[in-house]
Amino acid sequence: DGGITQSPKYLFRKEGQNVTLSCEQNLNHDAMYWYRQDPGQGLRLIYYSQIVNDFQKGDIAEGYSVSREKKESFPLTVTSAQKNPTAFYLCATRDRPNPHEKLFFGSGTQLSVL
Amino acid sequence: AQSVTQPDIHITVSEGASLELRCNYSYGATPYLFWYVQSPGQGLQLLLKYFSGDTLVQGIKGFEAEFKRSQSSFNLRKPSVHWSDAAEYFCAVAGGSQGNLIFGKGTKLSVKP
Repeated sequence: DGGITQSPKYLFRKEGQNVTLSCEQNLNHDAMYWYRQDPGQGLRLIYYSQIVNDFQKGDIAEGYSVSREKKESFPLTVTSAQKNPTAFYLCATRDRPNPHEKLFFGSGTQLSVL
Repeated sequence: AQSVTQPDIHITVSEGASLELRCNYSYGATPYLFWYVQSPGQGLQLLLKYFSGDTLVQGIKGFEAEFKRSQSSFNLRKPSVHWSDAAEYFCAVAGGSQGNLIFGKGTKLSVKP
């Protein structure tokens, strides 16, 4: 989606290293989400934020951290505590955090371990 | 707990043939249901959604889906598949905490010429 920018497209992590994935949106949406996608596993929710300066853990938050200091930005840090970080990471937004609102997705970041 | 099951991991159809992708959900109340499509290496795009009312919903790209409460199903259909429809399709229900989406594991669609 043109309104959500994820960078970089590809990222490589060395053993013991923390890496940060960027997600920026110009849709003026309140809610932002991070999903992890593994082949054949669908999408699993890592963290989400419904408003600036607030965020909650999703289903698989261990080994990850986030911040939401600005409405437009929701960076995800993959820490060294995440032992299996290789996956495709998707950022998504919603105008409001209501169940009937559609999600808009970025084009993803592929993270691999060196 | 809420869940979504897509029984078919991979489906191959011939171009011009009809398509049906299956989706079953588990949710106590009236569900909010979605179908998304993903091209390789890309994000997901919404095809259609169901909240209430008419159980047959129309979406983009000629897709439709039918909600059947008695069968807990929300199957996606298309009368005539085009080669550009080759992608992975995800069914989702808004049933997690805060109305977060719970996704199925996806069905990969291949299209034969």
